[in-house]
Amino acid sequence: DAKTTQPTSMDCAEGRAANLPCNHSTISGNEYVYWYRQIHSQGPQYIIHGLKNNETNEMASLIITEDRKSSTLILPHATLRDTAVYYCIVRPSLWQGAQKLVFGQGTRLTINP
Amino acid sequence: DVKVTQSSRYLVKRTGEKVFLECVQDMDHENMFWYRQDPGLGLRLIYFSYDVKMKEKGDIPEGYSVSREKKERFSLILESASTNQTSMYLCASSPGTSGRRSYNEQFFGPGTRLTVL
Repeated sequence: DAKTTQPTSMDCAEGRAANLPCNHSTISGNEYVYWYRQIHSQGPQYIIHGLKNNETNEMASLIITEDRKSSTLILPHATLRDTAVYYCIVRPSLWQGAQKLVFGQGTRLTINP
Repeated sequence: DVKVTQSSRYLVKRTGEKVFLECVQDMDHENMFWYRQDPGLGLRLIYFSYDVKMKEKGDIPEGYSVSREKKERFSLILESASTNQTSMYLCASSPGTSGRRSYNEQFFGPGTRLTVL
């Protein structure tokens, strides 16, 4: 799997948009970008994924650059409950057997009142 | 919504005890996983299963075994608990494929924090 690089920590004011960057310069053509988050003392939670087009769901938006070497997760109106560690990972799209998740260090996002 | 439940949030056991951690998912997912998560070491895969009665070793299977007798239930067994198995244990499930594009969304349970004394 391609390696990802994320900032160690970020702060954001409540109600503002939180933009979390991720670099994945070695991503290959069949790999998707996935985002998960883990709130303290809870299991990880899937947020969103995409290949090359921007994606949006009820939780977040994902913007992937045209060269696919980086992406940004956007939480449009951050709340205190969005305080968590956010993980960006890249995974192949084709089935290759049940695939484990490997999280890097992630970005610790703190939403401030 | 997919729901993955684990039998206990917190568990305290003694060295040498046999420990059972249960996980149940309600979305008819084919794949189920057991991870442990430790500070500084991230998420590590212990075992996974892609079908009933099928199991595969992950990266750190030593000291553990698993059982999947029914599709919705995946059990992790610590045959003889040791202090180095004190950890957060996370169960996850994901849909399988039948020649379709795979889905890598794994749905996690709340975790079981196990302490072995």
